[in-house]
Amino acid sequence: GAVVSQHPSRVICKSGTSVKIECRSLDFQATTMFWYRQFPKQSLMLMATSNEGSKATYEQGVEKDKFLINHASLTLSTLTVTSAHPEDSSFYICSASEGTGELFFGEGSRLTVL
Amino acid sequence: TQLLEQSPQFLSIQEGENLTVYCNSSSVFSSLQWYRQEPGEGPVLLVTVVTGGEVKKLKRLTFQFGDARKDSSLHITAAQPGDTGLYLCAGAKGSNYKLTFGKGTLLTVNP
Repeated sequence: GAVVSQHPSRVICKSGTSVKIECRSLDFQATTMFWYRQFPKQSLMLMATSNEGSKATYEQGVEKDKFLINHASLTLSTLTVTSAHPEDSSFYICSASEGTGELFFGEGSRLTVL
Repeated sequence: TQLLEQSPQFLSIQEGENLTVYCNSSSVFSSLQWYRQEPGEGPVLLVTVVTGGEVKKLKRLTFQFGDARKDSSLHITAAQPGDTGLYLCAGAKGSNYKLTFGKGTLLTVNP
């Protein structure tokens, strides 16, 4: 099946710094990718829809200046958490579709902000 | 407002028991998907149901989509410790792949 990879899988940073998380579709092209965040033992919350070559569409309540999304190519979307604070600590997951109707999820990236 | 209500939220059972997880909504979905997620990993798709009344079986797992395409259930027969994980239902409307997730059911199967 299609593979979606995230990097890094774990990142620890100091409060106030920015962190970039990458989401790559390894063997297919994805015009649309999705970014989610997940708190421990809770479900996935959609943050934004990443569109190749255009601006991301953010869900209500998600700060677009805080969570910068760039989808510069058909195989790569990046999520940058700017000026991270401890409350931004979470598990961030991306997904992408190859156009068959099935979404493939990345392995997730655990962010810890000290 | 949670569009997809999933129950129970937590479930702890003994190996060999049967269980059912429910996913309910007041909205109609074009398709509904069930995922299983292990700690520290992304969700893995188990099944997609698209037709009202559809029943799909995956070994000991039986998935059903309601006639009105508003609800779904996952039944596991003779649960095993390897079934432990977070089970998520997710509904899609249209073909834009934008999913609405239920809150999840954290299943623990004790040996």
